[in-house]
Amino acid sequence: AQKITQTQPGMFVQEKEAVTLDCTYDTSDPSYGLFWYKQPSSGEMIFLIYQGSYDQQNATEGRYSLNFQKARKSANLVISASQLGDSAMYFCAMREGPGSGYSTLTFGKGTMLLVSP
Amino acid sequence: DAGVTQSPTHLIKTRGQQVTLRCSPKSGHDTVSWYQQALGQGPQFIFQYYEEEERQRGNFPDRFSGHQYPNYSSELNVNALLLGDSALYLCASSTMGREKTQYFGPGTRLLVL
Repeated sequence: AQKITQTQPGMFVQEKEAVTLDCTYDTSDPSYGLFWYKQPSSGEMIFLIYQGSYDQQNATEGRYSLNFQKARKSANLVISASQLGDSAMYFCAMREGPGSGYSTLTFGKGTMLLVSP
Repeated sequence: DAGVTQSPTHLIKTRGQQVTLRCSPKSGHDTVSWYQQALGQGPQFIFQYYEEEERQRGNFPDRFSGHQYPNYSSELNVNALLLGDSALYLCASSTMGREKTQYFGPGTRLLVL
């Protein structure tokens, strides 16, 4: 079974609108972390936002927020007031186990976001 | 504060050849992880180095090997290249022992002909 599922291959949004990118995950570990990365055409993976499994509040970083619904095992990324520069691939990733010690990231297949003027 | 750097940016090799990719971690980071990203896919974990030893490994053959130096920089070596090894190779650095994010470099695009 896939550990990270991103069901939207592509999303279109107009500039200044909000957009939600979906991510569901599968783990039996009570301690885990969820990450969103942005990958422009240049290839670099840019860290956007992090949510720990024990965090009580949804994470926010500027225009990015993470809608964390633990019971549903979903961690959707919300981008408010989209900008043309937001056009890129977006990846959801999970780290299983506590952050200390050895840990790796498992990525979804990504969602391509296109922002139009 | 320098981020993660990788070299070279692009590389073209032929089947059967060997390749070495290099990575310097972000300042203050001691752990380096390598990922392979095939076209249209998410990155796949190859292995992770800490204190100059391979600590975790993904589902990759022994043709993929690595090294970490005392200054925390790392190399990824791939022997007997196959066409299927063509991909973007990403290096990520982080700190061991603390809950923290992996920061990625710009990647090396490898094309095997």
